[in-house]
Amino acid sequence: GAGVSQSPSNKVTEKGKDVELRCDPISGHTALYWYRQSLGQGLEFLIYFQGNSAPDKSGLPSDRFSAERTGGSVSTLTIQRTQQEDSAVYLCASSLGRRNTGELFFGEGSRLTVL
Amino acid sequence: QQQVKQSPQSLIVQKGGISIINCAYENTAFDYFPWYQQFPGKGPALLIAIRPDVSEKKEGRFTISFNKSAKQFSLHIMDSQPGDSATYFCAASSGTNKFYFGSGTKLNVKP
Repeated sequence: GAGVSQSPSNKVTEKGKDVELRCDPISGHTALYWYRQSLGQGLEFLIYFQGNSAPDKSGLPSDRFSAERTGGSVSTLTIQRTQQEDSAVYLCASSLGRRNTGELFFGEGSRLTVL
Repeated sequence: QQQVKQSPQSLIVQKGGISIINCAYENTAFDYFPWYQQFPGKGPALLIAIRPDVSEKKEGRFTISFNKSAKQFSLHIMDSQPGDSATYFCAASSGTNKFYFGSGTKLNVKP
């Protein structure tokens, strides 16, 4: 399909392990976002990319979290030394990136469970 | 500090009733206010959006009411249907590409 694709859809890992979550945005979308949604909670902003650069990474909760985007397309969110409080659904969204024209297209998320 | 405050956290409405979800913000630089709808296991999807130059926008059964002076906006779902049962998020942005989301409202429309 032509939507935002995220993988894996589900990931169970042990505390202390590193995990990588992948996001493949809609073709031509220059802006890419990562959000975290904990059980029953709202959408917590993590990081925003415009092209390959990340003008706003203010939402990353700790230095265990990092993200990169290559070729202005695929993005990877890496969580090192996972903790139980990292358990959540990680949502990726993309948009055309024009100033404030709105629509974010979300993927279905990667559900991370840290045991 | 939460940039956008949303209430209620959950809402139960009978089929055919009106569902109302409210949001408030502080940053007067915000100039775009979308609402997103999320079904279980899916990502949020844009439902309807408004800019502060109008006080109301209607699309089908969904209406956004915007009160600039009070810095509040709300979503009204008329003739609510069981298929509207979902989590609704309000959001705001300010001419950048950063969006601030409310905490969400879980709507349950009973048949």
